[in-house]
Amino acid sequence: KAGVTQTPRYLIKTRGQQVTLSCSPISGHRSVSWYQQTPGQGLQFLFEYFSETQRNKGNFPGRFSGRQFSNSRSEMNVSTLELGDSALYLCASRTVPRGSKNIQYFGAGTRLSVL
Amino acid sequence: DQQVKQNSPSLSVQEGRISILNCDYTNSMFDYFLWYKKYPAEGPTFLISISSIKDKNEDGRFTVFLNKSAKHLSLHIVPSQPGDSAVYFCAALERGSEKLVFGKGTKLTVNP
Repeated sequence: KAGVTQTPRYLIKTRGQQVTLSCSPISGHRSVSWYQQTPGQGLQFLFEYFSETQRNKGNFPGRFSGRQFSNSRSEMNVSTLELGDSALYLCASRTVPRGSKNIQYFGAGTRLSVL
Repeated sequence: DQQVKQNSPSLSVQEGRISILNCDYTNSMFDYFLWYKKYPAEGPTFLISISSIKDKNEDGRFTVFLNKSAKHLSLHIVPSQPGDSAVYFCAALERGSEKLVFGKGTKLTVNP
């Protein structure tokens, strides 16, 4: 079974631009979560999508948004990029029997550099 | 305020010896704990987990211990191997939530 696939692996953008990151979950996994990893803050939860609906949201500004498609693939968008948005963005997928604890499986991430 | 803390940024051990990685948490609503391992340029890989109703879970060379009264968990790796060298993240789930809360990680180096 293929793992979680994130594209692109690396991105360089300038301040003020916007960026879209893509995540294809493991086949059969219907929940996709996004995390930001920075040296100072560690891994922080951005949001989770299930059945094309945002179910949970972390403490990030509205410039960070996402969506999920009917095939469970997800995209994350960051508008008006700031230098502090430079980070590794990780996507994780899991199966969803409701009420059950499931392991989240991570992709390799997209490394975003904002200049 | 950091709810999951890994107070040792790094740990170095000899091959064949035991590695003990520690994690403390403050939120009493956490009811499930996980350890992930991360190599450079890769995403975190799930290692082992434990529910708050247990105090120990074992999987091969890896054992996780949970002390709920102390709000402390630890990961034991026995025997340690050079391939275990990576950054280890402790993570927790709050009851009713699927939002993973991570510690900042401990970099383990296993010397041959």
